[in-house]
Amino acid sequence: ETGVTQTPRHLVMGMTNKKSLKCEQHLGHNAMYWYKQSAKKPLELMFVYNFKEQTENNSVPSRFSPECPNSSHLFLHLHTLQPEDSALYLCASSHDSNQPQHFGDGTRLSIL
Amino acid sequence: GIQVEQSPPDLILQEGANSTLRCNFSDSVNNLQWFHQNPWGQLINLFYIPSGTKQNGRLSATTVATERYSLLYISSSQTTDSGVYFCAESGGNNDMRFGAGTRLTVKP
Repeated sequence: ETGVTQTPRHLVMGMTNKKSLKCEQHLGHNAMYWYKQSAKKPLELMFVYNFKEQTENNSVPSRFSPECPNSSHLFLHLHTLQPEDSALYLCASSHDSNQPQHFGDGTRLSIL
Repeated sequence: GIQVEQSPPDLILQEGANSTLRCNFSDSVNNLQWFHQNPWGQLINLFYIPSGTKQNGRLSATTVATERYSLLYISSSQTTDSGVYFCAESGGNNDMRFGAGTRLTVKP
């Protein structure tokens, strides 16, 4: 599926760095999501945006800061991360909460 | 919260065999999807199936919402079917929850 694009595909950063993950969808959807997939764990929902408004923050630490400037773009700003934050971060979008979610290819993040 | 349980956790098949993967969920379904995650981490949408039966080639899925389960059938499995199969469901509040997945290995 190419409707949801995530960059970068891989990211290695130190604990003191600041970086951002980017997600862009070309499907005309109104809802966008960030998920975290750690090794041997189910995908965990982190944030949900509907029409650019954050509607869910699933008890995510403040070192993860989402931003949704418009319905097509979603960012995840990272700062002062911990080694346990190493994971695959997946972005998804859907027309609305009752419609199927379409996923990007993910960003594999490694914290040194 | 919504609980999603998948079984079996691991499955090894010989190429050409058929299999059934199961997903049980604890609450009423509003949005249920099956995904295949390939070895590169890409999550591919297989079915959106809050109820009823759908078929796509060698794959089909059935959800019985009143009994709170969904089944994914893979027929004539191929090595490219290997990966992890996830089901995910939500009650319609964007709170989509994923099961732990079934890791399928298809041997040639």
